[in-house]
Amino acid sequence: GAVVSQHPSWVICKSGTSVKIECRSLDFQATTMFWYRQFPKQSLMLMATSNEGSKATYEQGVEKDKFLINHASLTLSTLTVTSAHPEDSSFYICSARTPHAGDEQYFGPGTRLTVT
Amino acid sequence: AQKVTQAQTEISVVEKEDVTLDCVYETRDTTYYLFWYKQPPSGELVFLIRRNSFDEQNEISGRYSWNFQKSTSSFNFTITASQVVDSAVYFCALSEYTGNQFYFGTGTSLTVIP
Repeated sequence: GAVVSQHPSWVICKSGTSVKIECRSLDFQATTMFWYRQFPKQSLMLMATSNEGSKATYEQGVEKDKFLINHASLTLSTLTVTSAHPEDSSFYICSARTPHAGDEQYFGPGTRLTVT
Repeated sequence: AQKVTQAQTEISVVEKEDVTLDCVYETRDTTYYLFWYKQPPSGELVFLIRRNSFDEQNEISGRYSWNFQKSTSSFNFTITASQVVDSAVYFCALSEYTGNQFYFGTGTSLTVIP
């Protein structure tokens, strides 16, 4: 089946620094990628939708200047958490959608971010 | 608006017992997809099943079975003869046909006690 990877799988950073998370579709072209955030013992909440070559669409309450999303190619989307704070510590999961194979969507393994 | 409700926050069963995880959804779309995912402690979502709104047939896959009832907007998941390896958080999710954005329930944490 289709594979989506995320890098890094976990990261620890200091407060005030920026962190970039990559989401790659390894064997298919993803026209759309979604970024979700999951706090401990909570559900996954959609942060933003990114379409290749265009600006991301952010959900209400998600700061677009803080969570920068770039979908520069059909196989790569990046999420940059700028000026991270401890409250940004979370599990970030991306998913990639292909227009083929019935619009299937595949999830990445997630990235655990800890801000100290 | 789309919404998925998993009323059971935590469930504990003894190994070999059967357990049913409930999922109730709301949507105005006539075409939609329903999913179940398993999330073990590692965090990675494990796909279990996808069902489209036009297919109300129940499905069985090994010890897993799913009961889709459009009349009650429910998509329940049953594990037969539970095993310790079934311990995880299980999410029910709804996806629009065109948008593909997922709406997740709050999850049910299942603990199978040996």
